[in-house]
Amino acid sequence: KNEVEQSPQNLTAQEGEFITINCSYSVGISALHWLQQHPGGGIVSLFMLSSGKKKHGRLIATINIQEKHSSLHITASHPRDSAVYICAVVNTGNQFYFGTGTSLTVIP
Amino acid sequence: KAGVTQTPRYLIKTRGQQVTLSCSPISGHRSVSWYQQTPGQGLQFLFEYFSETQRNKGNFPGRFSGRQFSNSRSEMNVSTLELGDSALYLCASSLEPWGTQYFGPGTRLLVL
Repeated sequence: KNEVEQSPQNLTAQEGEFITINCSYSVGISALHWLQQHPGGGIVSLFMLSSGKKKHGRLIATINIQEKHSSLHITASHPRDSAVYICAVVNTGNQFYFGTGTSLTVIP
Repeated sequence: KAGVTQTPRYLIKTRGQQVTLSCSPISGHRSVSWYQQTPGQGLQFLFEYFSETQRNKGNFPGRFSGRQFSNSRSEMNVSTLELGDSALYLCASSLEPWGTQYFGPGTRLLVL
């Protein structure tokens, strides 16, 4: 059983489309992280959330603690957004659990 | 500020050997975490250190160990290597425990 589930696993979009990636978790958490991993392995932290909503450029992350659900939105998608997006949670026991990732390809 | 550095970047070992990987965090960061990434299991949490103390450990056998030094640099050690230990090992640093994680480039370990 995975503590963190992401959907979809794979996503292909046309440049300019609005994209949503979903993350559901089954444990009590103290924080949720959204990460981006480009081919070659480098991982960049996009957001850390414990409540509400955060925005950075074209990226928006939301979290609903009661529903144990978070979404990552990308507005006006661009080919450079092509990457794997990973949701991770810190549970109340300070353990870190990762989702399996969503592979996004944005076609020009 | 310099980012998180990891050495070595690539490593080839044979079964039964041991390996030590090093991680230098961003200056001022006292929290260092280690992760293993494999195609089959994805990303998995190994350890978390803060101010030289291991605060948390993931579900890995005792062959995996680590430590953090007074300058916040961290090392992880894997003894009696197995083929399944082949993976990308990532470390990340943050200002506070489980804060925004700044990842290093990783050490790619191949066990033959």
